[in-house]
Amino acid sequence: EPEVTQTPSHQVTQMGQEVILRCVPISNHLYFYWYRQILGQKVEFLVSFYNNEISEKSEIFDDQFSVERPDGSNFTLKIRSTKLEDSAMYFCASSTVYGYTFGSGTRLTVV
Amino acid sequence: AQRVTQPEKLLSVFKGAPVELKCNYSYSGSPELFWYVQYSRQRLQLLLRHISRESIKGFTADLNKGETSFHLKKPFAQEEDSAMYYCALRSNNAGNMLTFGGGTRLMVKP
Repeated sequence: EPEVTQTPSHQVTQMGQEVILRCVPISNHLYFYWYRQILGQKVEFLVSFYNNEISEKSEIFDDQFSVERPDGSNFTLKIRSTKLEDSAMYFCASSTVYGYTFGSGTRLTVV
Repeated sequence: AQRVTQPEKLLSVFKGAPVELKCNYSYSGSPELFWYVQYSRQRLQLLLRHISRESIKGFTADLNKGETSFHLKKPFAQEEDSAMYYCALRSNNAGNMLTFGGGTRLMVKP
């Protein structure tokens, strides 16, 4: 069964540093997403991406965040200057009309 | 604004007992609802979508538009059902985003 792959599984970074989280969505899916889950809280929508542009973003997705599909395969989430409160599990997902497939997540720890 | 509420953070039952995980939603349009399951340290997996009206691993969920609910049920819980369960609503706007409830941890005791 096709999977959404995320790397790395765990990233530790210093406050103020830039991080890039990587995802390889399922190849025939058209929509791509990033969600995050702060420890003990609900899964929150960050951004959706369709046809090589952002189709929707949440209030969380401010100017510190950006997404890219640089090579038609990878889908990346960049945080320019990380803050302590960015520590969370970040899930990538891709979808068809039938539903989503989630990756196993990247645990980001900002110290 | 759309919202999904799962009132129970933890539900603990004995093996063989019936289970009902509650989910209520608010959405101005026609909702599309899902249940996702997350086993320990694993990814979110689709369990059910209301449109398909299927039963997976013995779980069923019926959309009740009058009560704006989509409760997940299983008549006889198994220990392997222990996991986090998330109810989610998909919007039909351009972003196609999912809004999740806070999740319910189901613990099935032997």
